[in-house]
Amino acid sequence: SQQGEEDPQALSIQEGENATMNCSYKTSINNLQWYRQNSGRGLVHLILIRSNEREKHSGRLRVTLDTSKKSSSLLITASRAADTASYFCAPMDSNYQLIWGAGTKLIIKP
Amino acid sequence: KAGVTQTPRYLIKTRGQQVTLSCSPISGHRSVSWYQQTPGQGLQFLFEYFSETQRNKGNFPGRFSGRQFSNSRSEMNVSTLELGDSALYLCASTFGQGYGYTFGSGTRLTVV
Repeated sequence: SQQGEEDPQALSIQEGENATMNCSYKTSINNLQWYRQNSGRGLVHLILIRSNEREKHSGRLRVTLDTSKKSSSLLITASRAADTASYFCAPMDSNYQLIWGAGTKLIIKP
Repeated sequence: KAGVTQTPRYLIKTRGQQVTLSCSPISGHRSVSWYQQTPGQGLQFLFEYFSETQRNKGNFPGRFSGRQFSNSRSEMNVSTLELGDSALYLCASTFGQGYGYTFGSGTRLTVV
């Protein structure tokens, strides 16, 4: 069963605004990864944050991890039309298996 | 470097048939995982192979099987296809545990 849950399920914002997506999970983890998927195609790895890290940046992406609350957030700053996609968080459990949620559909309006 | 290559991209099969999907990982990646993605169930883990051995397996019936070759290329097979097997099948490879995964573009299987 899926143990990762993203919130919100869908998000629509204006180009240039920031987008924040949240993720909750139920198990202890080794790391947590965020992926992006465009139009039902393959997923693209965005960022990995290890269980002993609290925050990580990559370009316009900022990820936070709170293992005490079993939650993570992904912030995309200065959004662009090309950011329109589904975003998935995937905690990696103690068996080194990725656990997937249903994703957040992000729409960037021009 | 070349990405993860999945073949074929699209496939239409009839109920009861069997199908074999192929995945070539990124050079140097020895771990290959397979996922099934459907609109209703999202991403479901099928199995993971590392150095020709199945390391993890998801909750799928025995009709779903896989294998990995010595060059890390992997195949998955689905026998006795059912309508519900229609899905996007994704393959992903990684350098190792604790690293991100690189996904292929997937094979879209339609069972009629």
